[in-house]
Amino acid sequence: NAGVTQTPKFRILKIGQSMTLQCAQDMNHNYMYWYRQDPGMGLKLIYYSVGAGITDKGEVPNGYNVSRSTTEDFPLRLELAAPSQTSVYFCASGTSYEQYFGPGTRLTVT
Amino acid sequence: DAKTTQPPSMDCAEGRAANLPCNHSTISGNEYVYWYRQIHSQGPQYIIHGLKNNETNEMASLIITEDRKSSTLILPHATLRDTAVYYCMETQGGSEKLVFGKGTKLTVNP
Repeated sequence: NAGVTQTPKFRILKIGQSMTLQCAQDMNHNYMYWYRQDPGMGLKLIYYSVGAGITDKGEVPNGYNVSRSTTEDFPLRLELAAPSQTSVYFCASGTSYEQYFGPGTRLTVT
Repeated sequence: DAKTTQPPSMDCAEGRAANLPCNHSTISGNEYVYWYRQIHSQGPQYIIHGLKNNETNEMASLIITEDRKSSTLILPHATLRDTAVYYCMETQGGSEKLVFGKGTKLTVNP
């Protein structure tokens, strides 16, 4: 099993550009999550999904969108990128009690 | 914001037990205590969780006080690879409600 995979690993965006961060898991987990982690801080939940077709907002959803059309994939969309979205983005999948994290995407918006 | 309180940093000698404390004085009766850790810049890793009783798995032990207002994560024989930031969290129901604070940075010294 590859576990949770994220692409790209690194990305530099200009202000106002858009992009999609990809996340895929091969463990057949119903639950998937997107977090962001700013330097020296803990993770903050952006969006999560409890199954295909079901998504819900986390703590910091503004500026992001998600979709969950399949069990395996949970892409995160950034529209109109802003410098405040410079961060490391982690995707995770899991059961209701345990989450498995991907390696992260380092995003810089300049 | 995180509802738990942890010391910002701790040191431990290699081969000794590492005891990481956590205060969760406002925890309610149906909230679980979760522990995760994050090694360097990797995604966090689940360690253990519990409700009332002490728990043990292959990674660690979790000791919860009788009044449930605090807990201790015990790594019985710390190794250099246990150097990480350890997060203690409380949540009702499943892990989709986890709130990551700043955690405790544990440094295991040779």
